[in-house]
This record gives sequence, structure tokens and C-alpha cells, in this order.
Amino acid sequence: GAVVSQHPSRVICKSGTSVKIECRSLDFQATTMFWYRQFPKKSLMLMATSNEGSKATYEQGVEKDKFLINHASLTLSTLTVTSAHPEDSSFYICSAKHPGMHTEAFFGQGTRLTVV
Amino acid sequence: AQTVTQSQPEMSVQEAETVTLSCTYDTSESDYYLFWYKQPPSRQMILVIRQEAYKQQNATENRFSVNFQKAAKSFSLKISDSQLGDAAMYFCAYRREYGNKLVFGAGTILRVKS
Repeated sequence: GAVVSQHPSRVICKSGTSVKIECRSLDFQATTMFWYRQFPKKSLMLMATSNEGSKATYEQGVEKDKFLINHASLTLSTLTVTSAHPEDSSFYICSAKHPGMHTEAFFGQGTRLTVV
Repeated sequence: AQTVTQSQPEMSVQEAETVTLSCTYDTSESDYYLFWYKQPPSRQMILVIRQEAYKQQNATENRFSVNFQKAAKSFSLKISDSQLGDAAMYFCAYRREYGNKLVFGAGTILRVKS
């Protein structure tokens, strides 16, 4: 099966700093990746769709200057939370679309971000 | 816009018994995909089962099966012979046939009692 790796799995940062989360497709090329945010015991909220070589498409209400997405290669998308605040603390999950398996999305293991 | 509704925030089942999780959705599309994902305490999202809307036959994967009622826009998941490892949060999700985005329901926490 297709593997998506997310790093780091946990990160603690200070208020006002920026933190980068990586999402890699290990055994396939992903032209499209997705970033979700999940609060405890809640559903996944799509933040943005990351397209290789072009700008990300953000969902309504998501601050693009706050959550910077870069999809610089066919196997890597990054989410940078800029000037983090405690309210940005959450679980962030990425997923990638496999070009040969158009029905499925494959998920990373998620990143727990804590801003102190 | 498409919406997915899971009306059961929590469900419990005795080990070895059968449980059914409910899901309804709203769409004006005729072709789409429906999914059930499992999220155990590790938080890793795992695909449980997938149903193509054009297929009348209900999908099955070992102990997991669905009851897909297209006209009623209903997509329930049946777990037979429940095991302790089935304890997790289960999400129903919808995707347009040629779309990229998954639309998730609110989730159902499944507890399995020994």
C-alpha cells in the first residue's frame, strides 16, 4: 500500500515562533496533498489543498498567511504555522492522493502541536 | 454543498457481538464515493471500507460490511464479531467522483466491552 509519513509526530513551541510540519509520500508521487486540523474527539476539518508547483487552495476561514503551505516536490508538502499562538494547538493531519488509486486518500500519522 | 451526518456520538458493543454505525449524507451528485475510516487512539486514519455509488452491491471487507441505500442517502457500517481492537472513532466520508476533497462526518466513538 501507499505510505505517507508526517514529521514530527509531536512538537512543542513557544508563542510567537513558527513551526514547520512535513508530509511525505514515501513510495509514490503525489501531485495533490491535503492538510486537516482536528480538535479532540472532533472531526477532521480540511484546511487546504496543496498542489505541487502551484499555490495551495485554502478553505474558507483559514488564514493563508498564518498557515503557509508549500508543495515544492512531488513527494513533499510542508505546513508552516507562523507566529503560533496557544489557540493554534491542535492535531494536524496530512493526506495524499495516489495517482493510480483515484478513489483513496492515504493519511499521515498526524502531528500534535502544542503552543506554550 | 455536500454534508455528511453521523447521528451517534458514541456507541458500545459487547465483544463478539454486532454493531451498526449510522451515516447519512446529502448530495445532488449521482456518482460519488463513500468511505468509512477508523481512527484508533494512535490517531492514524485507516480506511475500513469503500463504496462506489454506481454499484448496487454493498461492499464487504471481512467482518465489516455496509448497507448502502442510495435513494435514502444512507450508508451504515456493520461490524460483526466485534473485537477489542475495533474500539476507535469511526468517520463516514464522502467524495465526489472526480473530486479531491473528502467531506467527513462528525464521527462515532465505538467502545467494545469485554
